[in-house]
Amino acid sequence: NAGVTQTPKFQVLKTGQSMTLQCAQDMNHNSMYWYRQDPGMGLRLIYYSASEGTTDKGEVPNGYNVSRLNKREFSLRLESAAPSQTSVYFCASSEQLGTASNQPQHFGDGTRLSIL
Amino acid sequence: AQSVAQPEDQVNVAEGNPLTVKCTYSVSGNPYLFWYVQYPNRGLQFLLKYITGDNLVKGSYGFEAEFNKSQTSFHLKKPSALVSDSALYFCAVRDKAAGNKLTFGGGTRVLVKP
Repeated sequence: NAGVTQTPKFQVLKTGQSMTLQCAQDMNHNSMYWYRQDPGMGLRLIYYSASEGTTDKGEVPNGYNVSRLNKREFSLRLESAAPSQTSVYFCASSEQLGTASNQPQHFGDGTRLSIL
Repeated sequence: AQSVAQPEDQVNVAEGNPLTVKCTYSVSGNPYLFWYVQYPNRGLQFLLKYITGDNLVKGSYGFEAEFNKSQTSFHLKKPSALVSDSALYFCAVRDKAAGNKLTFGGGTRVLVKP
């Protein structure tokens, strides 16, 4: 039972470098999400995709871009990494955002990203 | 705007004693409330949810939560804590009026001592 798979698990970047975080789910979920987790701040939503072909900004979208490649995959891109983007990034998926909004989200194990 | 508060950064409890993790929320409409648990170096795992109906909700691993509309609270409880319950716990709220996005509290670390 793979669930939500994130790659890579760890990454160190230099300021200004670019990188794409990958996420794939095998639960046939329509909705996918990217969060960042920082100490004492819980999880903050970066971007989400309610369904294949759509993406929307969350609470902290600046400095990031996303691509919903197909129903399974949702990638997060840092075009020019900054030290403030050092964080743990989580991808999640759930049933349709709209009518089935009482469904829980399923999370990957995260990507730990350090930017020097 | 919807928000969630977890007033305690850490809760310490002896094994076998009752465990309570507090959560209060603020939404403009009817809330959907969730509890998640996070173990070290892992993603969040769903524990339980309140959508409607009975105020006492039962979930995984013996946890339960009580919804209190008048106090806008959704406290997580376990009658007898285990050392293995030591983890980071997150409360979250989803408000349909806010576009169904999930808002998380800052998390509460639970330490259960043998």
